[in-house]
Amino acid sequence: DAGVTQSPTHLIKTRGQQVTLRCSPKSGHDTVSWYQQALGQGPQFIFQYYEEEERQRGNFPDRFSGHQFPNYSSELNVNALLLGDSALYLCASSLGASRSWGSPLHFGNGTRLTVT
Amino acid sequence: KNQVEQSPQSLIILEGKNCTLQCNYTVSPFSNLRWYKQDTGRGPVSLTIMTFSENTKSNGRYTATLDADTKQSSLHITASQLSDSASYICVVTTTTSGTYKYIFGTGTRLKVLA
Repeated sequence: DAGVTQSPTHLIKTRGQQVTLRCSPKSGHDTVSWYQQALGQGPQFIFQYYEEEERQRGNFPDRFSGHQFPNYSSELNVNALLLGDSALYLCASSLGASRSWGSPLHFGNGTRLTVT
Repeated sequence: KNQVEQSPQSLIILEGKNCTLQCNYTVSPFSNLRWYKQDTGRGPVSLTIMTFSENTKSNGRYTATLDADTKQSSLHITASQLSDSASYICVVTTTTSGTYKYIFGTGTRLKVLA
């Protein structure tokens, strides 16, 4: 039973460029959330996708956008990269938004994005 | 404002010693509280969940407590091992109109020395 998988594991981009990160949820999960984790900090919620729609959003600018596909996998897109976007981007999957209170978030190992 | 604060920020202990990590929250309404362990370069992994009616729960050498009145939780690690070196993150779940939100603490970085 595959857990949450993310790709790529590492990425180096230049300021102003655009990046796409990918996530496949744990088998049986239909909800995907994305988090940004700066070094030494806790994860910060970016947004959550359920039934191919963005259901919740954290305090992140419109440069951060996403998508969920019919197979529940998801992408995170970041446009016009800034140096401050350098972080570990974590994807977490769970059961449906209204049924997930008792089940834990299952995290992937993240994509380490470095913006130079 | 919904917030989760953890202390200490970092901790260094010797192998075999015990330690206790603290989590204070101002989240309402409260659904549950989870402790996650995050190894360096890896995603967080759930250790235990605490619901409103639970005071203590153990998972091997990890014991979590919850005081819903004071809105405090602790994670006690017994007989620490080198593999316990990690960040420990407290996450409180809250609900708004049937939608669940997760409020993350900034974590406690634990280092266990031989």
